[in-house]
Amino acid sequence: GALVYQYPRRTICKSGTSMRMECQAVGFQATSVAWYRQSPQKTFELIALSTVNSAIKYEQNFTQEKFPISHPNLSFSSMTVLNAYLEDRGLYLCGATGGNYAEQFFGPGTRLTVL
Amino acid sequence: AQSVTQPDARVTVSEGASLQLRCKYSYFGTPYLFWYVQYPRQGLQLLLKYYPGDPVVQGVNGFEAEFSKSNSSFHLRKASVHWSDWAVYFCAVKNSAGNKLTFGIGTRVLVRP
Repeated sequence: GALVYQYPRRTICKSGTSMRMECQAVGFQATSVAWYRQSPQKTFELIALSTVNSAIKYEQNFTQEKFPISHPNLSFSSMTVLNAYLEDRGLYLCGATGGNYAEQFFGPGTRLTVL
Repeated sequence: AQSVTQPDARVTVSEGASLQLRCKYSYFGTPYLFWYVQYPRQGLQLLLKYYPGDPVVQGVNGFEAEFSKSNSSFHLRKASVHWSDWAVYFCAVKNSAGNKLTFGIGTRVLVRP
């Protein structure tokens, strides 16, 4: 079956520092990876969509300078939150699509706390 | 642009009672629709999905949803709620390329014993 893993599951960082989170697809080829953020008490906002061999598309209010993403192959993607502040806390999900699957598979998320 | 509206932020229901969660979508063309559940302090789990076909879709744990093109709706139902259904439920619509979702704000379901 198709599975998506995310590391770490939880992380705490000091305000102004950066942290990197990873997403791994198993059992299918993740041609597209979407990164979402769920801020406290809110819904899931799309940060960016990464498709292998294409430019990464960032949504309004999110930039590459703040959330650089790497998607080097069909099973792995990573995103860094640079210079994290309180408003960056929340649950970060990656959703991967590809292979013979039409649906998007989600990892369990990385929960970021900023002190 | 596609969008999803969940008009009820919170629904309280007694255990054993029926449940309906409302979802309205805006999408140009034929939508692909989903319901996800988020249990406390966890990520998203897929409950069910609608791909063009039978308008009534069966999901896990006794959930079903009905697609209505005329009403632009995709309401979720369960005949008898269990205490373990206490969670936040998200309706979502997929883009035409199939690689990103637009979510509603979610409906929090509280179950009374």
